[in-house]
Amino acid sequence: AQTVTQSQPEMSVQEAETVTLSCTYDTSESDYYLFWYKQPPSRQMILVIRQEAYKQQNATENRFSVNFQKAAKSFSLKISDSQLGDAAMYFCAYKEEKGAQKLVFGQGTRLTINP
Amino acid sequence: ETGVTQSPTHLIKTRGQQVTLRCSSQSGHNTVSWYQQALGQGPQFIFQYYREEENGRGNFPPRFSGLQFPNYSSELNVNALELDDSALYLCASSWGLGLAKNIQYFGAGTRLSVL
Repeated sequence: AQTVTQSQPEMSVQEAETVTLSCTYDTSESDYYLFWYKQPPSRQMILVIRQEAYKQQNATENRFSVNFQKAAKSFSLKISDSQLGDAAMYFCAYKEEKGAQKLVFGQGTRLTINP
Repeated sequence: ETGVTQSPTHLIKTRGQQVTLRCSSQSGHNTVSWYQQALGQGPQFIFQYYREEENGRGNFPPRFSGLQFPNYSSELNVNALELDDSALYLCASSWGLGLAKNIQYFGAGTRLSVL
């Protein structure tokens, strides 16, 4: 079964600085998708960024970028110019190309932004 | 806002009771997935419905059941509630079944407390 591991339960960063959140996953599949979701205190999961495994180029969305290392099964999220509104739980998630297409989530990383 | 709404926001039940949670999908979305998020954990996949039929189930007992209606709204039913069922229940909608890259949009969840 696929598993997703986030080894950092909590991270903190100074406002305007850069922070990297780590994620590793385990799968025997070659085609899959990886996601980072943000869950603020409002509880609603919000998609931050998505990566297709067949793409070698790392995805970027404004201040958010990923470092996707397929051979190492690593998928880290870099947040540049951190803002107070970035404070939230961040979840890494995996989805297979086939099957029920369920999302498999990691345990989450709580990110605190210090003003 | 993702356009996915869930009701009620909070719910308190006692052990052994039955509960129904509701989800209204984003307009045009025909696939709905339900997740259980225990406190301090990542969400876990319960099941998915596509065009009113169950399409994949996670490791949850049969007392967790669901429905999807012709307008693609959905219900999650839990019978014989146990204390461990206390969690945040998240609904996510998406379009299409064969397109794994499609994003799942989440509601804000229903917080269920079982006493």
